Amino acid sequence: DSGVTQTPKHLITATGQRVTLRCSPRSGDLSVYWYQQSLDQGLQFLIQYYNGEERAKGNILERFSAQQFPDLHSELNLSSLELGDSALYFCASSLLGASGRASGNEQFFGPGTRLTVL
Amino acid sequence: GDSVTQMEGPVTLSEEAFLTINCTYTATGYPSLFWYVQYPGEGLQLLLKATKADDKGSNKGFEATYRKETTSFHLEKGSVQVSDSAVYFCALANTDKLIFGTGTRLQVFP
Repeated sequence: DSGVTQTPKHLITATGQRVTLRCSPRSGDLSVYWYQQSLDQGLQFLIQYYNGEERAKGNILERFSAQQFPDLHSELNLSSLELGDSALYFCASSLLGASGRASGNEQFFGPGTRLTVL
Repeated sequence: GDSVTQMEGPVTLSEEAFLTINCTYTATGYPSLFWYVQYPGEGLQLLLKATKADDKGSNKGFEATYRKETTSFHLEKGSVQVSDSAVYFCALANTDKLIFGTGTRLQVFP
């Protein structure tokens, strides 16, 4: 158990709909990351928050947004869903979020949310 | 941009065989390198890491050495077990985010 929790475990929805994925980081971790794992794109970084502020953005679509709340939990909002958004979405957390030479910090991954868009 | 290339799978081995999974990277500067493992139905777990050239990461019998001259971080284990069957991901971090390879599925048979 990594200490990172994600809900729900599975989500099935229809095209055009909007969903919210939730992540609670390990106790004490200030940084939260979101990753998407799909068969065609592999594991891709979406976005990072550090202590409530957006820190880095990756290949995140404009239809997707995220936030980190004062209690450090994070939500990933996916809207106008398309079939191609079906994937496993992982949240990870780490203690620090400094850039540059702090890149050796381990990220702890949650079990993921499997999203199926029909 | 930064990228990671790892060998295609699946890799199929008998128990107690020697394992090598190749990983090479392209990056500016001095990234940290990682191997993560994903067991069926689970999230990713850090297997080992190395943060500078010539560092050797090791854990649970797995080893990988950060080779800057060949930009490689190959994963090795001397004797695999059935319980090692999983998908292995090589990754690098130049800033905070992880950049992953495509993953290599390992299947170990008794």
